[in-house]
Amino acid sequence: EDQVTQSPEALRLQEGESSSLNCSYTVSGLRGLFWYRQDPGKGPEFLFTLYSAGEEKEKERLKATLTKKESFLHITAPKPEDSATYLCAVQPNLIQGAQKLVFGQGTRLTINP
Amino acid sequence: DGGITQSPKYLFRKEGQNVTLSCEQNLNHDAMYWYRQDPGQGLRLIYYSQIVNDFQKGDIAEGYSVSREKKESFPLTVTSAQKNPTAFYLCASSMGRVRAGELFFGEGSRLTVL
Repeated sequence: EDQVTQSPEALRLQEGESSSLNCSYTVSGLRGLFWYRQDPGKGPEFLFTLYSAGEEKEKERLKATLTKKESFLHITAPKPEDSATYLCAVQPNLIQGAQKLVFGQGTRLTINP
Repeated sequence: DGGITQSPKYLFRKEGQNVTLSCEQNLNHDAMYWYRQDPGQGLRLIYYSQIVNDFQKGDIAEGYSVSREKKESFPLTVTSAQKNPTAFYLCASSMGRVRAGELFFGEGSRLTVL
């Protein structure tokens, strides 16, 4: 069964304190891994796509990396506006149902000023 | 501006009633999706549609129904058969198979059963 597990469930940091969020996955062939940001009461916002092990993507203070079993979202010198829930999702490499994503439960990140 | 519009934002339903959530997109995307989000759980797929007049069940389709008569619209009906309908419902779209995992989400509709 395809599965995505994110850790920790919640993380509280001080402004400027760098850290990483983890996304571990088991999937029957990986077509892609995706990171989203979700603010309270809003829909998720797409951040990154990673396709193969060793790939990295960056956007402002965020950098996503991918290995064969997990992905990390590194946050460098975060600011209070980075506070959100970060969701990880995988797309199985199947012919049928290839457009179905499997989401993790998310990591709720709080950055204190 | 292009995007996805969901309505209503908040909806209250009495037990035994059917309700319909609206989802409209002007992104010219082929594929559309409905997800359900519950506290502490990942998003779960209810239904998806890759093309007009065609749709497939997701992982939790029981008690829900959809239609896709127009490319821009993908309404979701929560029927009285859905045993636990209180949740946050999210509609999304994508360009189709090429970039299927890059979803554009609406602002969501929060349904509460009284």
